[in-house]
Amino acid sequence: EAGVTQFPSHSVIEKGQTVTLRCDPISGHDNLYWYRRVMGKEIKFLLHFVKESKQDESGMPNNRFLAERTGGTYSTLKVQPAELEDSGVYFCASSQFRDSHTDTQYFGPGTRLTVL
Amino acid sequence: DQQVKQNSPSLSVQEGRISILNCDYTNSMFDYFLWYKKYPAEGPTFLISISSIKDKNEDGRFTVFLNKSAKHLSLHIVPSQPGDSAVYFCAASLDGNKLVFGAGTILRVKS
Repeated sequence: EAGVTQFPSHSVIEKGQTVTLRCDPISGHDNLYWYRRVMGKEIKFLLHFVKESKQDESGMPNNRFLAERTGGTYSTLKVQPAELEDSGVYFCASSQFRDSHTDTQYFGPGTRLTVL
Repeated sequence: DQQVKQNSPSLSVQEGRISILNCDYTNSMFDYFLWYKKYPAEGPTFLISISSIKDKNEDGRFTVFLNKSAKHLSLHIVPSQPGDSAVYFCAASLDGNKLVFGAGTILRVKS
């Protein structure tokens, strides 16, 4: 079974540019999450999709961040325009069941974003 | 405010000995706790979890202990192996979905 995949693995952009990160969850997983780790600190929740619907976007930093999950399969996270403080590693995770506390979240390898 | 704290940035242990990683939390509503392990250039990998109704969960060399009154949990690895060298993240959940992570502890197991 293929794991969670993310593209690209690295992205270096100039301040003010736009970047789109992609996440392909494990097939059949309804839940998809985005997290971010900045400068070796804690991994912070950004948002949660259940299929194509945003269940919780309380962690999104501001309106420069836009996440979509059309068709309930893969998801994209767009940052527009990017700022220096957006640099970090963006992780995607997926899980199978909707209402289970014991449902394991499987993480992708992350996209390392550097904004210059 | 950081609701989950891992106060030790790093830990060094001799191979074969016990590794003890600690985690404190502030939100008493958390009802599920997890440990993830992360190697460089990889995503976090689930290791072990515990529900708030338990005080211990064991899986092979890994045991997690939960002390609800102290809002403290710990991960014990016995015996430690060089392959255990990684960053360990403590995480907590109160709604079964969003995970709240600590900043991680770097474990180095020396052979």
